[in-house]
Amino acid sequence: QVQLVQSGAEVKMPGASVKVSCTAPGYTFTSYYMYWVRQAPGQGLEWMGMINPSGGYTTYAEKFQGRLTMNRDTSTSTVSMELTSLRSEDTAVYYCARALTMIPRNDAFDFWGQGTQVTVSS
Amino acid sequence: QSALTQPASVSGSPGQSITIPCTGTSSDFGTYTLVSWYQQHPGKAPKLMIYEAYKRPSGVSNRFSGSTSGSAASLTISGLQAEDEADYHCCAKVGGGTWVFGGGTKVTVL
Repeated sequence: QVQLVQSGAEVKMPGASVKVSCTAPGYTFTSYYMYWVRQAPGQGLEWMGMINPSGGYTTYAEKFQGRLTMNRDTSTSTVSMELTSLRSEDTAVYYCARALTMIPRNDAFDFWGQGTQVTVSS
Repeated sequence: QSALTQPASVSGSPGQSITIPCTGTSSDFGTYTLVSWYQQHPGKAPKLMIYEAYKRPSGVSNRFSGSTSGSAASLTISGLQAEDEADYHCCAKVGGGTWVFGGGTKVTVL
């Protein structure tokens, strides 16, 4: 049974950084792309980026270039997302999601984590 | 990358069919095949309903169907049920292997 388990809620000051993790037991971790998607209060979904857990290669949305870093730890089947220089507009629920089919397919987001609330406030 | 465009809300009575459009430039939709749709109930994570424009994952009701035409995609819900009341998000793969979402559509069952 595929289940993505994310780390807990975070409250950060403007200008700080936040790191959210997503542990993915129950399948071959290195065989599926992983994605990060966020949702600001009352807003739609926003795609942030993706990582190939096998080689660690990443692709980020242009909007987050320079502020976003994704990593993976194959020993614990965990991916992480770190966002720096936080501002109030980064207040959102952050989700990790797994690809529907195996690499090299990059086709849709099938299994989702429970979401992590990140609040940026002074 | 600009977001895809969806109506803010769509409503229908139980048993009716509704269609949610999702529009963008041709570059957003690329080959018009890698479009997916997600259902999201309040406070919950999204759920994949349609992928590759018209395919349903295992377990998704056949009341949900997807299609594309020109620079637009659409999701149709047939035989509308109370449990279908949720937000629906379209998503398309664009250049460089990146993805873009629509703004989301709130479906209300009257």
